Amino acid sequence: DAKTTQPTSMDCAEGRAANLPCNHSTISGNEYVYWYRQIHSQGPQYIIHGLKNNETNEMASLIITEDRKSSTLILPHATLRDTAVYYCIVRDSYNNAGNMLTFGGGTRLMVKP
Amino acid sequence: NAGVTQTPKFQVLKTGQSMTLQCAQDMNHEYMSWYRQDPGMGLRLIHYSVGAGITDQGEVPNGYNVSRSTTEDFPLRLLSAAPSQTSVYFCASRQGGAGTGELFFGEGSRLTVL
Repeated sequence: DAKTTQPTSMDCAEGRAANLPCNHSTISGNEYVYWYRQIHSQGPQYIIHGLKNNETNEMASLIITEDRKSSTLILPHATLRDTAVYYCIVRDSYNNAGNMLTFGGGTRLMVKP
Repeated sequence: NAGVTQTPKFQVLKTGQSMTLQCAQDMNHEYMSWYRQDPGMGLRLIHYSVGAGITDQGEVPNGYNVSRSTTEDFPLRLLSAAPSQTSVYFCASRQGGAGTGELFFGEGSRLTVL
């Protein structure tokens, strides 16, 4: 699986958009970008994933550059409850052997009032 | 649906004691796994299972045993606890087969080994 690089920490003002970057310069053509977050030592929570097209769901948007070497997770209107560690993970689709996800250090996002 | 349920939520052991962390899911997921998370660190995969009767090692399997006798349950056993196993343990599951999709995590089991 491709390695990812994320900033260790970021701040965001409440109500503003939070833009969390992730570099994955060694990503291969069949690898997806996944985002999870972990709120205060709870179990990680899935946010979104994508291959090459931008994706949006009720939680966030995922913007993947055309060369796929980096991506940005966007929380459009951050709230205090979005304070968490955000993990960017790159891997190919699961096969029948399992292929569990590999979590790195992530970005600690602090949303401030 | 309860999702992924872990018990106990907290446990304190003495060095050398044994115990089992329980994990159950009610989503009929084929894949289940155990992760550990040390303070300020990301998650590391201990063991995983792709279906009943099948288990395999992850990144940090030493000191842990698993079994998968049913689809619903995936217990993690510590045979002789050591202080280095003090950590938060998370169980996760997902649907089976190839493709993409999310992992569902339990709330964690916090283990302290004295």
